[in-house]
Amino acid sequence: EIVLTQSPATLSLSPGERATLSCRASQNIVTFLAWYQQKPGQSPRLLIYDASNRATGVPARFSGSGSGTDFTLTISRLEPEDFAVYYCQQRYNWPPLTFGGGTKVEIK
Amino acid sequence: DVQLLESGGGLAQPGGSLRLSCAASGFSFRSYAMTWVRQAPGKGLEWVSDISSSGHSTYYADSVKGRFTISRDNSKNTLYLQMSSLRVEDTAVYYCAKVLANWGPERYDPTFDYWGQGTLVTVSS
Repeated sequence: EIVLTQSPATLSLSPGERATLSCRASQNIVTFLAWYQQKPGQSPRLLIYDASNRATGVPARFSGSGSGTDFTLTISRLEPEDFAVYYCQQRYNWPPLTFGGGTKVEIK
Repeated sequence: DVQLLESGGGLAQPGGSLRLSCAASGFSFRSYAMTWVRQAPGKGLEWVSDISSSGHSTYYADSVKGRFTISRDNSKNTLYLQMSSLRVEDTAVYYCAKVLANWGPERYDPTFDYWGQGTLVTVSS
C-alpha cells in the first residue's frame, strides 16, 4: 500500500498570502497524484489531477507540481474561500487507492 | 449538470446491514466507473470500493472486503453499496463519486471529478 504523508497538518495564514502544501509518497508514483479541497459540511472538490493539471473551473491561483515521491500544491494568493482542508490522492498503484491525512489551511 | 444523490444511510446495529444508493444524472452513467469513499466523523477520506463502467470489475479496501458489495444498474443510472456485518468503525459519511476518465469498459482513471453530498451511516447499539 502506498502511504501519502501530508505536511504540515495545519497551516495558519492570512488572506493574500501564499500557501505551500506538501504531499510525500512512500514510493515513486510518477505523476499519478490528485489534490482535493474540502470545506466544512461539503463534499470534496477536485482541484488538480496528474500532479499539475487544473480541473475544470479551478482558479489559476491553484497550481500543482512534483513527480516521483514529492508533490506540492501552491495557492498563490489566499482568498477567503480557500480556507479549507486539502487532501492528496494517488492512483499509481491500486487497490487500494489512498489519500493523505489532509492539511487544514486556517485563517491566522 | 452532473448530479449524484446518495440515499439509504441511517442507524444500524453492529452486525446489521444497510444498502446505499447513488442516483446519477447529467452524464452518460454507463460510460464511467464509479466509486464509494467514506469519511469518519472528524477524520480524513478513505476509499471503500470501485466498480468499472460495465460492472464486471470491482475492487475493495481490505477493511470492507467480504462484507460490502458494490454494484450498479446502468438501466437505472444507479450505483449501490450493500453493507453487511456492519461494525462501529464503519460509521462515516459515505460519498459516491464519478471517475474523471474512462478508456473502455474495464479501464479508467480513478481520480474523482464529481462527488455526491454524502449519506451518513451510523453503526451503534
